[in-house]
Amino acid sequence: ETGVTQTPRHLVMGMTNKKSLKCEQHLGHNAMYWYKQSAKKPLELMFVYSLEERVENNSVPSRFSPECPNSSHLFLHLHTLQPEDSALYLCASSQDNYRPTDTQYFGPGTRLTVL
Amino acid sequence: AQKITQTQPGMFVQEKEAVTLDCTYDTSDQSYGLFWYKQPSSGEMIFLIYQGSYDEQNATEGRYSLNFQKARKSANLVISASQLGDSAMYFCAMREGLSGNTGKLIFGQGTTLQVKP
Repeated sequence: ETGVTQTPRHLVMGMTNKKSLKCEQHLGHNAMYWYKQSAKKPLELMFVYSLEERVENNSVPSRFSPECPNSSHLFLHLHTLQPEDSALYLCASSQDNYRPTDTQYFGPGTRLTVL
Repeated sequence: AQKITQTQPGMFVQEKEAVTLDCTYDTSDQSYGLFWYKQPSSGEMIFLIYQGSYDEQNATEGRYSLNFQKARKSANLVISASQLGDSAMYFCAMREGLSGNTGKLIFGQGTTLQVKP
């Protein structure tokens, strides 16, 4: 595997379900990110982890719970979601997160539908 | 005020021709980075090209070049010799130097490019 991978690629869940999104980066990077892309809206940063520590929570509702067990893996735990949470969830990684030159590389995304 | 503005929701270009996608940005930082990404219908966001605010030369990567005009705060993407596989959504993004250690990228609304055979 190379680059940034995400599983599952598609997920349909009910509002009472609990599910998790998984992201893995094979680039040796120190920083990982979760973004949300809703229809007709720019990408929104959700969470940032640097060396497994959360450094940014961009006012995300508590029904989204991130976890970063090591610098290669990032999870997004979902529970009691709302239909408006349906979106494409993108994971990204970068070498570090404190320089303007730090390029973020994205995974293929998980397309989430909440019924 | 929007930090990144892409004024072209959709563009058409004939195969093998060049096309320019517009991007203007707004920041008071002296140090910042500008990025372009391509998003095909499959959804993945593919990094294309980077320009630093202190870079004196315009960035180039293969068929992609960035027309950076600092005084006008514009960072237009030029794709030369368009190919059918270039049909996708294109996003301009900025990383401000004063955003600390969050690494936050600010994205524009995107431009949909369709290449005609």
